[in-house]
Amino acid sequence: GNSVTQMEGPVTLSEEAFLTINCTYTATGYPSLFWYVQYPGEGLQLLLKATKADDKGSNKGFEATYRKETTSFHLEKGSVQVSDSAVYFCAVSGDDKIIFGKGTRLHILP
Amino acid sequence: DTGVSQDPRHKITKRGQNVTFRCDPISEHNRLYWYRQTLGQGPEFLTYFQNEAQLEKSRLLSDRFSAERPKGSFSTLEIQRTEQGDSAMYLCASSLARLAGGPTYEQYFGPGTRLTVT
Repeated sequence: GNSVTQMEGPVTLSEEAFLTINCTYTATGYPSLFWYVQYPGEGLQLLLKATKADDKGSNKGFEATYRKETTSFHLEKGSVQVSDSAVYFCAVSGDDKIIFGKGTRLHILP
Repeated sequence: DTGVSQDPRHKITKRGQNVTFRCDPISEHNRLYWYRQTLGQGPEFLTYFQNEAQLEKSRLLSDRFSAERPKGSFSTLEIQRTEQGDSAMYLCASSLARLAGGPTYEQYFGPGTRLTVT
C-alpha cells in the first residue's frame, strides 16, 4: 500500500531561519499529497495540499512541490516564527484513505 | 460553518469497562473516518463510512471495536472490555467522497477524544 517517510525530529531552529522538512512517498497511481500540522493541544489541520505532479501547495508562508520524479513533497518555509512550533505530518492518499507519516516535531527558539 | 466535533474530549476508564465516543462531521460531508493516534506517531486508520455504509475496517480494529453511522450523520465508536493498550487519542475526520477519476479530497479533523485506561 501507499506510504510516506518523513525526517525524524525534533527539529530545532532559531526564529527567521529557513525550514525544510523532507518527505518521500511510495504510491501507485496518481495520489494526492498533503501536509497537516498539529499545534499543542489541538487537532490536525490541513496546511497545504497538491493533487498532481509539479503542483505547488502553499499556505501561511509554507510551500511544498509535488515531485513525481523523486517521489518527494518536501515542506519549506523561508523564515520561521515561534508560532510555527508544532508537529508536521506528511500524508499521501490511497484507496480513499489518507496515510500519514510519523510526524516531525518542530521547535522554534526566539 | 462548524467544524468536526467530538465528545467527550477526555475519557478515563478502568480496564474492562466499555466506552463510547461520538463524532459529528461537517454537515455536507458524506465520508467519515476514525483514526487512532498514539504518542509520537501519526494517525492510524481504523475505519470509514460513506453515508451510513461502513466501507472498510483496518486490521487494527479488533472485535472489541465497533463503529456505526446510523443515519449517515454522526458516528459512534465503541470499545468493549477496554485494555490498557487502548489508551490513545481517537480522531474523527470528515470529507467529501472522491469523484470518479478525481483527486482525493482533504479530510477535516476534530479535536479528538483522549482515552486513558487505568
